Amino acid sequence: KAGVTQTPRYLIKTRGQQVTLSCSPISGHRSVSWYQQTPGQGLQFLFEYFSETQRNKGNFPGRFSGRQFSNSRSEMNVSTLELGDSALYLCASSPGGDRAGYTFGSGTRLTVV
Amino acid sequence: SQQGEEDPQALSIQEGENATMNCSYKTSINNLQWYRQNSGRGLVHLILIRSNEREKHSGRLRVTLDTSKKSSSLLITASRAADTASYFCATDLNTGGFKTIFGAGTRLFVKA
Repeated sequence: KAGVTQTPRYLIKTRGQQVTLSCSPISGHRSVSWYQQTPGQGLQFLFEYFSETQRNKGNFPGRFSGRQFSNSRSEMNVSTLELGDSALYLCASSPGGDRAGYTFGSGTRLTVV
Repeated sequence: SQQGEEDPQALSIQEGENATMNCSYKTSINNLQWYRQNSGRGLVHLILIRSNEREKHSGRLRVTLDTSKKSSSLLITASRAADTASYFCATDLNTGGFKTIFGAGTRLFVKA
């Protein structure tokens, strides 16, 4: 079966712009989580969605937001981009409930200039 | 702050040797997972051990969990050059939804 698909793979944006990243989970997976990975901070949890509801949120400013659609696809949005938002953004899906671990996508590498 | 912290931060060994990585965490968990990441790519799930389990095996991987010490270890036996990667432990916090927190990772380099 198809894995977790993230689009786009690479993105270059200018400070102050906004960006939307997309994640299509594995078919049947209802939980989608987002992570930001940087060399300095490692993997930081952004948020988790399950059946279109945000269940958990990490310690990120309100510029970071997300949503999940009825087909479990998820998007995250970052507004008013800052240089420090440059990172690899990873999406992970799981069936939800008593899980067997996440399946990660290959990530979107965002560069803010 | 990170829930899980791996030790060592980096490890360099010869092919055929065993590699041991440790993870310590701070709060009660539902389960603990180990992942591998090859340079700049997505993470691959290796193994999950539940809080009521003490040891688990998967191929050349052996994971132990000591909830009294809030620690886990990952042993890779007979390492190969292809095992070169970063390894992360992740803990699942049951916060009315699931929140999986990753440690900073151990960078493993296996020399051929």
